[in-house]
Amino acid sequence: DVKVTQSSRYLVKRTGEKVFLECVQDMDHENMFWYRQDPGLGLRLIYFSYDVKMKEKGDIPEGYSVSREKKERFSLILESASTNQTSMYLCASSLRQMGQPQHFGDGTRLSIL
Amino acid sequence: QKEVEQNSGPLSVPEGAIASLNCTYSDRGSQSFFWYRQYSGKSPELIMFIYSNGDKEDGRFTAQLNKASQYVSLLIRDSQPSDSATYLCAVNHQTGANNLFFGTGTRLTVIP
Repeated sequence: DVKVTQSSRYLVKRTGEKVFLECVQDMDHENMFWYRQDPGLGLRLIYFSYDVKMKEKGDIPEGYSVSREKKERFSLILESASTNQTSMYLCASSLRQMGQPQHFGDGTRLSIL
Repeated sequence: QKEVEQNSGPLSVPEGAIASLNCTYSDRGSQSFFWYRQYSGKSPELIMFIYSNGDKEDGRFTAQLNKASQYVSLLIRDSQPSDSATYLCAVNHQTGANNLFFGTGTRLTVIP
């Protein structure tokens, strides 16, 4: 089975802090994704990566950056956390081929105070 | 127009009934369609995928695809209280790294 592991289930940080969310997958997937999910807004894509050191902006990249130094690991960085970044963050991975499903980690519920 | 539209519900059905969840999409070129189940406070879990027109059955779940009408549905037979969740429809993006468009989900409640 695909295993996507996010480093924290719950995280509380303060406004202005730099926040790192880590995601690791064990299925040698080429593609990795970061979403945030808010009530009524559904899943919104922040960034994705289709290869090591490659990254592409999604629909809402402002205030975020990402890093993919190894194939299995994809990190989301909140450069200077703000209260409007309080959300559920979901990491997903998939094989490169078109039509493959994405598999999600358990999510990180991030609160910015 | 959103790429993927779902009735947000909530949809309530009695235990043992058939639950029918619907999804329409705008990109005629989409080829892959997925249904995810998301329990409250949890992450989405893949339950079905379908690529060809027609029906695909897996246990109590049946996915139905009609590309001409740009419509995909999920039927849950013999609904159980444990089926109570939000169901997300996802459709592949024609460009990018196998990106998916997600609907906002339909919340299903199965009443014992």
